[in-house]
Amino acid sequence: EAGVAQSPRYKIIEKRQSVAFWCNPISGHATLYWYQQILGQGPKLLIQFQNNGVVDDSQLPKDRFSAERLKGVDSTLKIQPAKLEDSAVYLCASSPSGAIPGTQYFGPGTRLLVL
Amino acid sequence: GQQVMQIPQYQHVQEGEDFTTYCNSSTTLSNIQWYKQRPGGHPVFLIQLVKSGEVKKQKRLTFQFGEAKKNSSLHITATQTTDVGTYFCAVLNAGGTSYGKLTFGQGTILTVHP
Repeated sequence: EAGVAQSPRYKIIEKRQSVAFWCNPISGHATLYWYQQILGQGPKLLIQFQNNGVVDDSQLPKDRFSAERLKGVDSTLKIQPAKLEDSAVYLCASSPSGAIPGTQYFGPGTRLLVL
Repeated sequence: GQQVMQIPQYQHVQEGEDFTTYCNSSTTLSNIQWYKQRPGGHPVFLIQLVKSGEVKKQKRLTFQFGEAKKNSSLHITATQTTDVGTYFCAVLNAGGTSYGKLTFGQGTILTVHP
């Protein structure tokens, strides 16, 4: 079974530039998550999708971050404009749907450096 | 959401020594999950505990959930260099508007000296 795919793996941009990350979850997984992991900290949930609908985006800085999952499969996360403090690893995870929340499977992450 | 504190932040051991990391909450937890993240890698699910006093083992790893469901521990017996990484506890939100949301602890960074 293929895992969660993310691209790019690494990205270096200057502050105020825009950047987009892509995630393809495990086939059949209805729930998709985007996390931000700052160096030395645990992952922090940015947004959670159930199919193509947003379940939780309470911690997404909506003035600069946006995410979509138009067809309920793959997803993109965008930052526009980027700030220095956005330097982090952006992790995508997916889990199968069901009555009880399932295990989350993480992708390799995109490492973003904002200069 | 449910918050968890993890200690210690760092642990350095000699290969063969034991290692324990603790996860604590001021409120009763519905469940606790443990993840391992290798340096430069991504979190990998290890186990989920849901029952009061539950103990589960995976080879040299022993996971416990406290009787009051406010704390949990991960114990590694006779560490090996392959155990190096950051160990996170996380609480899975099993209800409400944030159904399925994971809240992670700060993690314990384990280094093993050969």
